[in-house]
Amino acid sequence: DVKVTQSSRYLVKRTGEKVFLECVQDMDHENMFWYRQDPGLGLRLIYFSYDVKMKEKGDIPEGYSVSREKKERFSLILESASTNQTSMYLCASSPGQGQPQHFGDGTRLSIL
Amino acid sequence: QKEVEQNSGPLSVPEGAIASLNCTYSDRGSQSFFWYRQYSGKSPELIMFIYSNGDKEDGRFTAQLNKASQYVSLLIRDSQPSDSATYLCAVWGNAGKSTFGDGTTLTVKP
Repeated sequence: DVKVTQSSRYLVKRTGEKVFLECVQDMDHENMFWYRQDPGLGLRLIYFSYDVKMKEKGDIPEGYSVSREKKERFSLILESASTNQTSMYLCASSPGQGQPQHFGDGTRLSIL
Repeated sequence: QKEVEQNSGPLSVPEGAIASLNCTYSDRGSQSFFWYRQYSGKSPELIMFIYSNGDKEDGRFTAQLNKASQYVSLLIRDSQPSDSATYLCAVWGNAGKSTFGDGTTLTVKP
């Protein structure tokens, strides 16, 4: 089975902090994704990556950046955390474009 | 218009009935279609995917795709209380990414 591991289930940070969310997959998948999920707004794509050192903006990239130095690891960075970034963050991976995505357990991030 | 729209729900069916979940999409060039189930407080898990027009069956689940009508559905036969969850439709389009619908919450009553 595909395993997508997110580093934290729950995280509390302060406004203005730089926040790192880590995601690791163990199935040699090419593609990795970061989403946030908010009540009433559904699942929204922040950034995605088709290959090492490649990144593409999703629908809501503002305030975020990503890093993919190794194929198995995709990091989401909140440059200067704000309260409106309080959300559930979900990482996913897929073998290739147009193929099913497998999700991690999610990180519930609270910015105070 | 949203790129992917689902029944607003919530949907409630009795145990043993057929639950029908619907999804329409706007990108006519979309190529891949997925259904995910999400239990409260959990992350989405893939239950079905379909690439070609027609029906695809897996156990109690059937996905139906009609590209001409830009419509994809999920039927759950012999619904069980354990099927109670939010079902997310996702569509992979020409932009090279998946777009998710807002989800339909299904409750199966014993």
